[in-house]
Amino acid sequence: EDQVTQSPEALRLQEGESSSLNCSYTVSGLRGLFWYRQDPGKGPEFLFTLYSAGEEKEKERLKATLTKKESFLHITAPKPEDSATYLCAVQRNSGNTPLVFGKGTRLSVIA
Amino acid sequence: EAGVTQFPSHSVIEKGQTVTLRCDPISGHDNLYWYRRVMGKEIKFLLHFVKESKQDESGMPNNRFLAERTGGTYSTLKVQPAELEDSGVYFCASSQDIGQIYGYTFGSGTRLTVV
Repeated sequence: EDQVTQSPEALRLQEGESSSLNCSYTVSGLRGLFWYRQDPGKGPEFLFTLYSAGEEKEKERLKATLTKKESFLHITAPKPEDSATYLCAVQRNSGNTPLVFGKGTRLSVIA
Repeated sequence: EAGVTQFPSHSVIEKGQTVTLRCDPISGHDNLYWYRRVMGKEIKFLLHFVKESKQDESGMPNNRFLAERTGGTYSTLKVQPAELEDSGVYFCASSQDIGQIYGYTFGSGTRLTVV
């Protein structure tokens, strides 16, 4: 069974204090690993898709990396507006299979 | 471009009652998905439409849940009769392709509380 585990569950950072969020996964054939951002009362907002080990993608202060077992979301010099829940999801490489989500990491950035 | 619209945003119903949730996907998106998050758990897949056809309904918890997508446009998810464990946030998502390049666009969700 496909599984996604995210750590830590919650993370509190000072503004400017860089850190990383972890997403460990097991899937029988990875088509893609997705990162989403979710704000309170909103739906998940797409950030990145990573397809193969070694791939990296960047968007503003965020950089996502992928290995065969895990993905990291690096946040460089975060700002308070980066506070949100970050969700990781995987999709199996078999037809149009659904996303399997982790529980997310709740990030708080304090000014 | 309008996003994925869901309504109501909140619904509080009594156990045994019926509730219908609605999702309007992005125009032109053939793929429509329903997901659910119950408190303390991860977001989980319920079902997937391609146009008006059910592609995958393996995540539907039981036969109290009925989803339809009339004419391949909007979709409804009916829960009848509702039970306490049905409480959670129901998300709808849509995509034109299989969601990899641009991801799936999610709505803001319907928060369902069964009391």
